[in-house]
Amino acid sequence: DAKTTQPPSMDCAEGRAANLPCNHSTISGNEYVYWYRQIHSQGPQYIIHGLKNNETNEMASLIITEDRKSSTLILPHATLRDTAVYYCIVRGNAGGTSYGKLTFGQGTILTVHP
Amino acid sequence: DVKVTQSSRYLVKRTGEKVFLECVQDMDHENMFWYRQDPGLGLRLIYFSYDVKMKEKGDIPEGYSVSREKKERFSLILESASTNQTSMYLCASSPSSQPQHFGDGTRLSIL
Repeated sequence: DAKTTQPPSMDCAEGRAANLPCNHSTISGNEYVYWYRQIHSQGPQYIIHGLKNNETNEMASLIITEDRKSSTLILPHATLRDTAVYYCIVRGNAGGTSYGKLTFGQGTILTVHP
Repeated sequence: DVKVTQSSRYLVKRTGEKVFLECVQDMDHENMFWYRQDPGLGLRLIYFSYDVKMKEKGDIPEGYSVSREKKERFSLILESASTNQTSMYLCASSPSSQPQHFGDGTRLSIL
């Protein structure tokens, strides 16, 4: 699975959009970009994933560059409850024993302040 | 909503004990996973299962075993608990090739 690079921390004002970047320059053609977050003392929470097209759901939007070497997770109106560690993960969806593993890096600590 | 339930949020056991961690999912998912999470090491995959009675070793299976007798339940067993198995244990489930959904974790302390 491709390695990802994220900034260690970011701040965002409540009500503003939070834009979290992720670099994955070694991503291969069949690998998806996944985003999870982990609020203190809870398990990781799935947010969104995509292959090449931009994706949106009730939680967030995912923008993937045309060359697929980077992506941005957008929380359109951040709230205090969005304070968490956000993980960007690249993983193939093919079968085989290795596809099941999610490799979490250090992630980005997002702090939303009033 | 997907619900992955881990039997205990906090557990304290003694060295040498046999420890059972239980995980149940209610979405008929084929795949289930056990990870442990330690500061500075991220999540590490211990075992996973892609069907009833099927199991595959992850990155750190030593000292652990698993059981999947029913589709909804995946158990992690510490055969003889040791202090270096003190950790946060996370269970996840997913349908084939779909995102994994996690439980809230069990914080296990081995004294």
